[in-house]
Amino acid sequence: AQKITQTQPGMFVQEKEAVTLDCTYDTSDPSYGLFWYKQPSSGEMIFLIYQGSYDQQNATEGRYSLNFQKARKSANLVISASQLGDSAMYFCAMREGLRGAQKLVFGQGTRLTINP
Amino acid sequence: EAQVTQNPRYLITVTGKKLTVTCSQNMNHEYMSWYRQDPGLGLRQIYYSMNVEVTDKGDVPEGYKVSRKEKRNFPLILESPSPNQTSLYFCASSSSPAVGGYTFGSGTRLTVV
Repeated sequence: AQKITQTQPGMFVQEKEAVTLDCTYDTSDPSYGLFWYKQPSSGEMIFLIYQGSYDQQNATEGRYSLNFQKARKSANLVISASQLGDSAMYFCAMREGLRGAQKLVFGQGTRLTINP
Repeated sequence: EAQVTQNPRYLITVTGKKLTVTCSQNMNHEYMSWYRQDPGLGLRQIYYSMNVEVTDKGDVPEGYKVSRKEKRNFPLILESPSPNQTSLYFCASSSSPAVGGYTFGSGTRLTVV
């Protein structure tokens, strides 16, 4: 079974609009971490935001926020006021276990296109 | 600057010709991993290392070898590359426990003909 599911292969959004990228996860471990990465056309993986399973507050980093709904096992990325430079592939990923640093499990990715 | 350095960025090779992709990190991280990225599949882990001389298989280890003789270096070896190993490869490192971001290298785009 997929541990990380990103159901939107592609999304098109107008510049300056907010956008939500969906991510659901599956784990029975009570301790886990959720990550979002951005991959622009140049190919590198850029870390955006992290949410720990025990964190009480939703994570925020500038224009990025993570809408963490633990009971639903969802960790959606919200980008406020989108910019042309946000056009990229976005990956949701999960680390299981507090010390499970050895493995990130990735979703299939969502390709976001920001239209001017 | 804290970084993970991979080389080469691009490589075209022929079937069966042994190659090594190097990976080096300057953050004194214990954990290092190799991933491959294929369209529609996201990133999948090939091998990982929890420290010097400690390595283990990830989800797709067939056809690959690794070694961790020094903490900073974690090379990926393809002894006899085949066309199905054409992919985008990433090296990543992290501290323990891995709260916060894993640091990825810039990627190596490998084509095996």
